[in-house]
Amino acid sequence: AQRVTQPEKLLSVFKGAPVELKCNYSYSGSPELFWYVQYSRQRLQLLLRHISRESIKGFTADLNKGETSFHLKKPFAQEEDSAMYYCAPDSDTTSGTYKYIFGTGTRLKVLA
Amino acid sequence: KAGVTQTPRYLIKTRGQQVTLSCSPISGHRSVSWYQQTPGQGLQFLFEYFSETQRNKGNFPGRFSGRQFSNSRSEMNVSTLELGDSALYLCASSLDQGPTYEQYFGPGTRLTVT
Repeated sequence: AQRVTQPEKLLSVFKGAPVELKCNYSYSGSPELFWYVQYSRQRLQLLLRHISRESIKGFTADLNKGETSFHLKKPFAQEEDSAMYYCAPDSDTTSGTYKYIFGTGTRLKVLA
Repeated sequence: KAGVTQTPRYLIKTRGQQVTLSCSPISGHRSVSWYQQTPGQGLQFLFEYFSETQRNKGNFPGRFSGRQFSNSRSEMNVSTLELGDSALYLCASSLDQGPTYEQYFGPGTRLTVT
């Protein structure tokens, strides 16, 4: 089973400061990982997927197999980045079937 | 393509009543998942349907049920509503089942139980 953990429930940074939202995974094979974002009063949406290696809204996420991490980074935070961020999926196969579930997420607050 | 749509967007119900929520996935998507989102518990998995079959279920009581139709549209039903069922119910669709497939979310149905 692929498990992910986001150790921080809340992360506050000042505008212009670098941001790093942590996501650690445990999986023996090659994980399939995504970052989702939910802005206030908007629907939950995909931000990044690990296979694309692209930068979206200035955010990047590199899969580090040595550290088993998939941290989300942005060099200079903007106020509009304030949102809830989820690293996913955290799968649960205890029942023998696959469940695409989300962890607790990290709320990012960018302060003016 | 049109996105995932959910109806109704808002609902107010009384304790003991039942409610049915509807979700229309993106055309061509066969997997539909339902989640309950609350400030205290975050995003909790309810169940997933794939090709009209419930493939997975979260840890919710039997009052929560669902189904999927042949056109992949899905409905979720909650019977004997309790105050604690007040939440934002999200529906997500994906092309297929499994961890490699991105989930596309609807705007949610805000259910308030009084």
